[in-house]
Amino acid sequence: SYELTQPPSVSVSPGQTASITCSGDKLGDKCASWYQQKPGQSPVLVIYQDNKRPSGIPERFSGSNSGNTATLTISETQAMDEADYYCQAWDSTTASVFGGGTKLTVL
Amino acid sequence: EVQLVQSGAEVKKPGESLKISCKGSGYTFITYWIGWVRQMPGKGLEWVGMIYPGDSDTRYSPSFQGQVTISADKSISTAYLQWSSLKAPDTAMYYCARHRAITVAGSTHYYIDVWGKGTTVTVSS
Repeated sequence: SYELTQPPSVSVSPGQTASITCSGDKLGDKCASWYQQKPGQSPVLVIYQDNKRPSGIPERFSGSNSGNTATLTISETQAMDEADYYCQAWDSTTASVFGGGTKLTVL
Repeated sequence: EVQLVQSGAEVKKPGESLKISCKGSGYTFITYWIGWVRQMPGKGLEWVGMIYPGDSDTRYSPSFQGQVTISADKSISTAYLQWSSLKAPDTAMYYCARHRAITVAGSTHYYIDVWGKGTTVTVSS
């Protein structure tokens, strides 16, 4: 079955750039999406189709996907960006798969 | 405004059956896949499956195939997630989720653009 691997945690200082990776076999051949989940809330889509931002998502959120790795980048990170982030991709045999999630801490 | 309104929290005993619901509004219900995502306490997101209400085509994660049943009633724009015999490990938050399809290089991929607020299911003796 298809699997996506994320680092359990990433720390960043306010105003700096945070990068969260998501690894999977030939992930670059698929479309990666990213979701933000704050405590007690439903997830929110922040990036779809590798690098597209839904309406209402700040420009500081960006994405890339190549080879075996997709990356979510948050520039000028703010305290409000502290959350769990999940990558997701669609595989023809496993269907939809989520990564294990990354806890972003803004120190 | 697109909304997915889920049914309320449930407390059940092992072996009991359960059907939770998700009502879509603000969009054409039959033209989007709608599915379910599980989140066990303190854990990550797990995709359960989805249904296309237009023709009832259903896809399941291999991990959930045979464990749950996804259905939809397009006349009332509502999707369902059903268990015939609950177990304690089914205790989790279940999110309803609208899926979007995109076709890239001849392959179709899906992502979730709208989430419900979740239904808590507790299974305990």
